[in-house]
Amino acid sequence: DVKVTQSSRYLVKRTGEKVFLECVQDMDHENMFWYRQDPGLGLRLIYFSYDVKMKEKGDIPEGYSVSREKKERFSLILESASTNQTSMYLCASSSTGQGGYEQYFGPGTRLTVT
Amino acid sequence: GEDVEQSLFLSVREGDSSVINCTYTDSSSTYLYWYKQEPGAGLQLLTYIFSNMDMKQDQRLTVLLNKKDKHLSLRIADTQTGDSAIYFCAETYNQGGKLIFGQGTELSVKP
Repeated sequence: DVKVTQSSRYLVKRTGEKVFLECVQDMDHENMFWYRQDPGLGLRLIYFSYDVKMKEKGDIPEGYSVSREKKERFSLILESASTNQTSMYLCASSSTGQGGYEQYFGPGTRLTVT
Repeated sequence: GEDVEQSLFLSVREGDSSVINCTYTDSSSTYLYWYKQEPGAGLQLLTYIFSNMDMKQDQRLTVLLNKKDKHLSLRIADTQTGDSAIYFCAETYNQGGKLIFGQGTELSVKP
């Protein structure tokens, strides 16, 4: 059974803190993605990666960075958390060449910045 | 830029059919998807349709694709309370595995 796991389901951080969100997939997928989900806005792509040590900006990369040192792990970093980064964060993975580019999602991390 | 639009809410009675609609802009999309998100969970793929198809049926789910109008719909027959969730449509974008998601339609099923 395919699996994408995220390090925390709920996280509360203070403004200005550095925050790490971890995502691990066990499907040997090349592609990994970080989204944030806000009511009425759907999913917005923050960053994605097609391979180890590679990263591409998505639609809303400001205030975020990522790290992909190993194929199975993709980390999202909030350099200095702000209240407008309070959101649900979803990680996904997919395989290049797999028919349909289907993305598999983790359960999400609900981050609150106070 | 590329865009996917959905209405935000739909309410139906248990046993009725639900139809969730979606419009997209990228005519080169090769696949279109429907995902389901239950409360507090991630997204789960429900079904997908290849762009050269008009219709796909999978048990209670029917997907209709009108490429001329760039319109995608998901019909759920005999809707149950367990179908209450947010439904997202998504299109492939520019190859390479990126998907563009709609805002999500919250389906509420009343007994």
